[in-house]
Amino acid sequence: ETGVTQSPTHLIKTRGQQVTLRCSSQSGHNTVSWYQQALGQGPQFIFQYYREEENGRGNFPPRFSGLQFPNYSSELNVNALELDDSALYLCASSGPYGISNTGELFFGEGSRLTVL
Amino acid sequence: AQSVAQPEDQVNVAEGNPLTVKCTYSVSGNPYLFWYVQYPNRGLQFLLKYITGDNLVKGSYGFEAEFNKSQTSFHLKKPSALVSDSALYFCAVRDPENTDKLIFGTGTRLQVFP
Repeated sequence: ETGVTQSPTHLIKTRGQQVTLRCSSQSGHNTVSWYQQALGQGPQFIFQYYREEENGRGNFPPRFSGLQFPNYSSELNVNALELDDSALYLCASSGPYGISNTGELFFGEGSRLTVL
Repeated sequence: AQSVAQPEDQVNVAEGNPLTVKCTYSVSGNPYLFWYVQYPNRGLQFLLKYITGDNLVKGSYGFEAEFNKSQTSFHLKKPSALVSDSALYFCAVRDPENTDKLIFGTGTRLQVFP
């Protein structure tokens, strides 16, 4: 069983630039969620994708956008980067019946973004 | 609004002693509660969950948690701490309005001393 994988693991950008982060979900999982974890904080929900459609969004501006592909992998795009976007971005996948059934989100190890 | 509170930024305990990491929640309806652990430079790993049933839930690595509805708490416990338990622990509650979304607390750093 392949776990959740994310790329890149680390990256540095400057203010105003754009970034794309990638995630491959665990085998058989069709729901992917993205979380932002700022330093010293708990993860904050950005959005979720199910069957290539956005299925719920947290309190993040529209410059945070995403995609899900037919193989359930996903991308997180952030435009017009700001200093406060510096964080660990976590991707999580859940099975066909969601966490209500399995009770578990499977997290990748994250992409650490630094904005200078 | 749904929320989770972890009142302690850090918990220090000697190896071999029992440990408790506290969590309280505020959610409409029946809560689905979770504990996750994060080791340095790693993602989150699932420890245990409460959905229904017995108030004492057993999880991975010898951890357990006690659900207390009257106190709206879900404290994480372990009878005998190990140095390797040192990590960042997050309590989370499922958002009843988005059943695959978790709302996390701010985390508690557990430090186990030899």
